[in-house]
Amino acid sequence: DGGITQSPKYLFRKEGQNVTLSCEQNLNHDAMYWYRQDPGQGLRLIYYSQIVNDFQKGDIAEGYSVSREKKESFPLTVTSAQKNPTAFYLCASSNRVAQPQHFGDGTRLSIL
Amino acid sequence: RKEVEQDPGPFNVPEGATVAFNCTYSNSASQSFFWYRQDCRKEPKLLMSVYSSGNEDGRFTAQLNRASQYISLLIRDSKLSDSATYLCVVIHNEKLTFGTGTRLTIIP
Repeated sequence: DGGITQSPKYLFRKEGQNVTLSCEQNLNHDAMYWYRQDPGQGLRLIYYSQIVNDFQKGDIAEGYSVSREKKESFPLTVTSAQKNPTAFYLCASSNRVAQPQHFGDGTRLSIL
Repeated sequence: RKEVEQDPGPFNVPEGATVAFNCTYSNSASQSFFWYRQDCRKEPKLLMSVYSSGNEDGRFTAQLNRASQYISLLIRDSKLSDSATYLCVVIHNEKLTFGTGTRLTIIP
């Protein structure tokens, strides 16, 4: 079955710690995205990638980093510089930018 | 003005009723539009695209009004399983902007 897999489902971060959220897709999509969703707010774009070895900042990239070494994988690192990381993180992919996106089932990140 | 705006609701509607809600957008040059559905604590799922001529998928009808810059979603004969948050998405110059969503609860 084709789809997007995010792991872990729940993640806890200690102060000063970097954590990495995994996102893997087997849909053969070129474009991949990371969003953050807070209660009562819409999805906000953190980073996106249109092709392997290339990525662009979204609206709220500060405190986050990404890599795109393989087409299938787009991991997101939440660094200690992100002072308010508690949120629901969603990874998505699409054939190309501006096409309908398919989402993974998300990772809930909380601070210990 | 926000790029994309939705009434957050909640809309509490009896089962079997028809319900409609809108999503307004600020950029008149926006090119593509979609509706997503998001269940509580789950990921958004694509519900339908919105075409200029309007389109229907079963009980769901989506329409675009370019003159007034809004899209709409109408649900007929609502079911309990329609309870969810409905997000609109507007695309302009390859940038997707999500609305904050309209929460719908269908009451038995």
